[in-house]
Amino acid sequence: DAKTTQPNSMESNEEEPVHLPCNHSTISGTDYIHWYRQLPSQGPEYVIHGLTSNVNNRMASLAIAEDRKSSTLILHRATLRDAAVYYCILSSGNTPLVFGKGTRLSVIA
Amino acid sequence: GAGVSQSPSNKVTEKGKDVELRCDPISGHTALYWYRQSLGQGLEFLIYFQGNSAPDKSGLPSDRFSAERTGGSVSTLTIQRTQQEDSAVYLCASSRTSGRGEQFFGPGTRLTVL
Repeated sequence: DAKTTQPNSMESNEEEPVHLPCNHSTISGTDYIHWYRQLPSQGPEYVIHGLTSNVNNRMASLAIAEDRKSSTLILHRATLRDAAVYYCILSSGNTPLVFGKGTRLSVIA
Repeated sequence: GAGVSQSPSNKVTEKGKDVELRCDPISGHTALYWYRQSLGQGLEFLIYFQGNSAPDKSGLPSDRFSAERTGGSVSTLTIQRTQQEDSAVYLCASSRTSGRGEQFFGPGTRLTVL
């Protein structure tokens, strides 16, 4: 019972910004929104997480809707190395991550 | 610093044999997780440790699967009497605290059961 909904796939041109959407209409007040990505033949890699406010780090930005029922992961300038499966996951305290199918991002040179 | 390491990186075994998979978490991380990923599938949670105890074993698919963690560090996942459907990549992750904390994943062990 996945709590998040993401598009199966997206495509971006290199050097362009990418906006990866995620819907989580049943989010609870204690759920954090986490994003991980998995490059081919590698384990998942943490990208970013947030609760209510927008967040920025060296990898990406996370924009969270005011009602928290959706969020968007923003890669400011896609590179070929960003081609991966991106997972949007809700997690409150003391629970393992529940991975859905994620969004497969293709980056075109 | 050193990340999460797992061994072996690849394991090929015959159906019915037992296998042990090892995970060395990042030093000081109290929470440790095991997941598996079958070909073309998403990641499936197996078991989670907080220190040496396992408060959540709900993801273990059968009683052939067991795991332990000693000294709050190394963890071993054991699969007895392996079956072909056990073939998957087994991933280990650790974090400073469970839940909200960032999880750091190892490279995984690819298990093939012939």
